[in-house]
Amino acid sequence: DARVTQTPRDKVTEMGQEVTMRCQPILGHNTVFWYRQTMMQGLELLAYFRNRAPLDDSGMPKDRFSAEMPDATLATLKIQPSEPRDSAVYFCASAAGLAGNTGELFFGEGSRLTVL
Amino acid sequence: AQKVTQAQTEISVVEKEDVTLDCVYETRDTTYYLFWYKQPPSGELVFLIRRNSFDEQNEISGRYSWNFQKSTSSFNFTITASQVVDSAVYFCARRGGSGGYQKVTFGTGTKLQVIP
Repeated sequence: DARVTQTPRDKVTEMGQEVTMRCQPILGHNTVFWYRQTMMQGLELLAYFRNRAPLDDSGMPKDRFSAEMPDATLATLKIQPSEPRDSAVYFCASAAGLAGNTGELFFGEGSRLTVL
Repeated sequence: AQKVTQAQTEISVVEKEDVTLDCVYETRDTTYYLFWYKQPPSGELVFLIRRNSFDEQNEISGRYSWNFQKSTSSFNFTITASQVVDSAVYFCARRGGSGGYQKVTFGTGTKLQVIP
């Protein structure tokens, strides 16, 4: 079964520490999304990439968050320095993103981040 | 922003009752795609259905059915004879589809509790 893989599944850290979350999209999918889910805000789109290029990162706090795709099999989301308000579940999703393609997003299991 | 609105925050039904989850969307696109996702207590997001803006046929899959009406910008989801396993948060989502534009916007979700 092809699936999106995210690590770590759970992370507890202290305020000020750097946090890196990783995502392996489904092989062949060229569009990758990062979402954050909190009780208050629901599912928020942080950033998304197509063919490894960032298309939209307007949902991401630029001063502390950064997202990259070093290669087609790895997407990273980094928070430096982390703050308690960053506590959330971070989801990565991938899609077969050819122009006109209507494919649904396939989500990973999420990375639950707790910043103390 | 082109929003997706799920006005029902939480719904409780008794097992075997039918339940309809509402979804209203905003769009300026001629071509767009609508989705429903299920998030069970385990946390992963599971794709349920995709509809494109040119296909207003209702769809039925087992106990699930979807009613897409462009005239009212609605894409409602009905579960017939609900079961306890249907208890989850359900998200409606919209994706623009012209020229490779692929941003997906989610509603805030409806939490469904099916009581045995």
